[in-house]
Amino acid sequence: DTGVSQNPRHKITKRGQNVTFRCDPISEHNRLYWYRQTLGQGPEFLTYFQNEAQLEKSRLLSDRFSAERPKGSFSTLEIQRTEQGDSAMYLCASSYAGRSTEAFFGQGTRLTVV
Amino acid sequence: AQKVTQAQTEISVVEKEDVTLDCVYETRDTTYYLFWYKQPPSGELVFLIRRNSFDEQNEISGRYSWNFQKSTSSFNFTITASQVVDSAVYFCALSEAGNAGNMLTFGGGTRLMVKP
Repeated sequence: DTGVSQNPRHKITKRGQNVTFRCDPISEHNRLYWYRQTLGQGPEFLTYFQNEAQLEKSRLLSDRFSAERPKGSFSTLEIQRTEQGDSAMYLCASSYAGRSTEAFFGQGTRLTVV
Repeated sequence: AQKVTQAQTEISVVEKEDVTLDCVYETRDTTYYLFWYKQPPSGELVFLIRRNSFDEQNEISGRYSWNFQKSTSSFNFTITASQVVDSAVYFCALSEAGNAGNMLTFGGGTRLMVKP
């Protein structure tokens, strides 16, 4: 399978715990995006990387959120001290820079904070 | 700032009916891209189409067709002879060319239910 892969698919955590999600993009794609989708809403942009550089962060990305993309390959999104409001689907997408090509999305990680 | 509005939150049709999903967008850029994605119950967003702002030709792909009208800032999506497998949430999205990262701004989505 050469699509975007996200792990885990589901995560249930207690409030206050830290969680980390992983995204493996399509191998030749140099751009990687994180989006958050709450129930009944469209995805909202969080951050994106071009290669290993994090070039843009949304105001939605509070200080408790951090994303990395070491070596420009896979990416991790960590949420520290989770809150119930963090419960959402976290979607990863990748695309190829150079022209406006479409982004391909993974199946997402559904986070439930209890 | 860019904005995408999908006024229809939910549509229910009977199989074989035609259905049109509306999308209205706002942007200050003269160069931008419009997209439609399908999100089945599995959760993965599936790319359907991308159009740039300079290409107003309508497009048809099988049972799917798209009508792009800059004059009304609309990019509507029609499914002809709907099938149960078309049941999903459909999202319209916008990316501004001045946005170097091509980040997408999504509408709220339209849930389409096709009944047998």
